[in-house]
Amino acid sequence: EDQVTQSPEALRLQEGESSSLNCSYTVSGLRGLFWYRQDPGKGPEFLFTLYSAGEEKEKERLKATLTKKESFLHITAPKPEDSATYLCAVQSNYGGSQGNLIFGKGTKLSVKP
Amino acid sequence: DSGVTQTPKHLITATGQRVTLRCSPRSGDLSVYWYQQSLDQGLQFLIQYYNGEERAKGNILERFSAQQFPDLHSELNLSSLELGDSALYFCASSPGGLAKLFFGSGTQLSVL
Repeated sequence: EDQVTQSPEALRLQEGESSSLNCSYTVSGLRGLFWYRQDPGKGPEFLFTLYSAGEEKEKERLKATLTKKESFLHITAPKPEDSATYLCAVQSNYGGSQGNLIFGKGTKLSVKP
Repeated sequence: DSGVTQTPKHLITATGQRVTLRCSPRSGDLSVYWYQQSLDQGLQFLIQYYNGEERAKGNILERFSAQQFPDLHSELNLSSLELGDSALYFCASSPGGLAKLFFGSGTQLSVL
């Protein structure tokens, strides 16, 4: 069964304190791995798509990397406005999940000034 | 602003009732997806429509149904509501595939 596990569930950082969020996945043929950001009371907002092991994508203070079993979202020198829940999702090449994303439960990031 | 509009934002109803959630996708997007988000389950895929036709089905209960109209807006119908149906329901749209979804702000459903 396709599965996505994110850790930690919650992370508290001081402003400027870099860290990484983890997304471990089990999928029958990875078609794509996705990172979304969700603010309270809002829908998820797309950040990155990664397709193959070794791929990296960057956007401002965020950098996403992908291996064959997991993805990391590295946050460099975070600011309070980076506080949000970060969601990881995968799309499988096979079976009934082709038409949908399987989401992890997210990591809630809090950045204190 | 993602360009995806969902109404209503909040809905409070009683067990056994039926409700309809509405979604207007981004201009030009042909695909509409419905997701349910609860605290214990996270985001769960319900159903996808593409240009008016059902394309994929996820963990959607038989009491739930959806459709996409010729103008591409979509409705999610929830009937015989139970307490456990209380959740945030999101609609997302894309031009076609899953590479990048645009989510609406959701409808918070509370079943009392």
